[in-house]
Amino acid sequence: GEDVEQSLFLSVREGDSSVINCTYTDSSSTYLYWYKQEPGAGLQLLTYIFSNMDMKQDQRLTVLLNKKDKHLSLRIADTQTGDSAIYFCAVASGSARQLTFGSGTQLTVLP
Amino acid sequence: NAGVTQTPKFRILKIGQSMTLQCTQDMNHNYMYWYRQDPGMGLKLIYYSVGAGITDKGEVPNGYNVSRSTTEDFPLRLELAAPSQTSVYFCASSQDSEKLFFGSGTQLSVL
Repeated sequence: GEDVEQSLFLSVREGDSSVINCTYTDSSSTYLYWYKQEPGAGLQLLTYIFSNMDMKQDQRLTVLLNKKDKHLSLRIADTQTGDSAIYFCAVASGSARQLTFGSGTQLTVLP
Repeated sequence: NAGVTQTPKFRILKIGQSMTLQCTQDMNHNYMYWYRQDPGMGLKLIYYSVGAGITDKGEVPNGYNVSRSTTEDFPLRLELAAPSQTSVYFCASSQDSEKLFFGSGTQLSVL
């Protein structure tokens, strides 16, 4: 089945850019997602990209997709303390586009 | 606008007890999903449904059962609770399986 890998931790200074990386194995994946989870809360959809796109920008968020290397990244510009959370990469496959999640990257924003 | 509602928020079970985790959505979505999230891990798919009367197994279905008698409700049943089922359970729904909306989760401990 699908395997999705993320690094576990990332620390950045407030105002810097954050880049969270993700790799996946299933080349037939159709949609790729980034979710944010704050402590004790459910998952909030941040952005997603269709597999025929290379890049998608949405305000402070930029998603880059390298299909050849099966690599997805999320860049957060001007990172704020409110961005501290766990970020999950998820990849859709199957007839019901079931999602396979990575283990999450804990982003800590330092003042 | 309630979205996806899960009850209860917290529950402690003894080994061998049974319980039903409730999930309801008011968005008339066809697709519904149950995920579990173990500490420090991503979400794993337990069961999903593409419409009323149709359910299918996900990655980790053992020890669980589901039903989908209406579009709105997708309960998850644990028949003989085991410590390995201690987890946070998330229900999600989507209209076209493109964007998932998550409930706030049920934290279950089996002692």
